[in-house]
Amino acid sequence: QSMLTQPPSASGTPGQRVTISCSGGSSNLGGSNVIWYQHLPGAAPKLLIFSNNQRPSGVPDRFSGSKSGTSASLAISGLQSEDEADYYCAVWDDALDAWVFGGGTKLTVL
Amino acid sequence: VRLVESGGGLVQPGGSLRLSCAASGFTFGDYAIHWVRRAPGKGLEWVSGINWNSGKISYADSVKGRFNISRENAENSVYLQMNSLRVEDTALYYCAKSIGGVANYCDYWGQGALVTVSS
Repeated sequence: QSMLTQPPSASGTPGQRVTISCSGGSSNLGGSNVIWYQHLPGAAPKLLIFSNNQRPSGVPDRFSGSKSGTSASLAISGLQSEDEADYYCAVWDDALDAWVFGGGTKLTVL
Repeated sequence: VRLVESGGGLVQPGGSLRLSCAASGFTFGDYAIHWVRRAPGKGLEWVSGINWNSGKISYADSVKGRFNISRENAENSVYLQMNSLRVEDTALYYCAKSIGGVANYCDYWGQGALVTVSS
């Protein structure tokens, strides 16, 4: 069972802004930077956000991340049909000596 | 950067399988490599990670004692030896390159190798 909690689903219409939350505890999110990945069916997972709010080159600025305490969120503005995918938060857990992924959020663009 | 997994297939419960990850396009010996899996209908699950010189290795509790990760820097390859396989190990297994050590995040992923454990 994941120790990072995400809503199983989210949805929005083209052009809208959606937010996906990720909540954890003091041993993971409370002490580590959060990472966000996008996973489209049949493709390799893609790094979206690192160090809570940093975008790798090539990721549109429509994607943004934030973190406060033991919670983090991913925001997608100007929603596009190609954003339909599964989104995961992840952190390194020092106590477990392991990476922990959230359960994933399936984003549907209506 | 390119990561290509191989070695997947169908195996009976209790059996073994060895996955390989061939890397290119970067200085392989400088970075940790991870294995992450996604079971059918489930989310991503981290499996194991190995640092540049095999000096630090970590495993998820779900595979500890059954799986063994190793690397051969001269061959730009990482391996995942999976023993005592269970039905719940059925998944698409991805290898991924870290930006540094085992505790650092992954920036590039392969396309995955399918492992099916079934009688």
